Amino acid sequence: GQQVMQIPQYQHVQEGEDFTTYCNSSTTLSNIQWYKQRPGGHPVFLIQLVKSGEVKKQKRLTFQFGEAKKNSSLHITATQTTDVGTYFCAGYLSSGTYKYIFGTGTRLKVLA
Amino acid sequence: GAGVSQTPSNKVTEKGKYVELRCDPISGHTALYWYRQSLGQGPEFLIYFQGTGAADDSGLPNDRFFAVRPEGSVSTLKIQRTERGDSAVYLCASSPGGLAGTDTQYFGPGTRLTVL
Repeated sequence: GQQVMQIPQYQHVQEGEDFTTYCNSSTTLSNIQWYKQRPGGHPVFLIQLVKSGEVKKQKRLTFQFGEAKKNSSLHITATQTTDVGTYFCAGYLSSGTYKYIFGTGTRLKVLA
Repeated sequence: GAGVSQTPSNKVTEKGKYVELRCDPISGHTALYWYRQSLGQGPEFLIYFQGTGAADDSGLPNDRFFAVRPEGSVSTLKIQRTERGDSAVYLCASSPGGLAGTDTQYFGPGTRLTVL
């Protein structure tokens, strides 16, 4: 079946360091969304990428969608303690299904 | 305005019992998703409603799971003959309901189900 993998599974960084999580799909995606889930919380939408090669920025966060629409990345510049949480990508297939397939998540810990 | 709400927040039941989990989406949102999230995992798709109808129920694990949305707003996820493996957080998400796959999903706080 379709799978969406994320690496790394865990990342501990010192406050101020950069962080990147990578998302890889076994199949071509129609679009991809990114979510952040704080410990004990629920997923909160961050962004959606639709076009091949698309790059979007939100303050210190940069999101990319691969040319083949099978991979994506989230990069955080100069992490802060408020960035702590688990980051999930969610791929949408659109071929005969309406489901989003969530990645395995990357849990980020920021050390002050 | 109010976000997505889910009740109960916690449900403890015994193996073999029947449970109902409720989701109140954001007012006016026509699209509604149910997910299941196990510890340390990403949300796993269960079912997608567009209005009153289930447009995609391919994620329901077996026929013990059923969901309804009779009036196109509130949805209930029903689990019969619960098993210990059903223990997880059940998340509901709603979206405005434009073209499928293009909407932001707004998640509720989830119902933590524990089957003893």
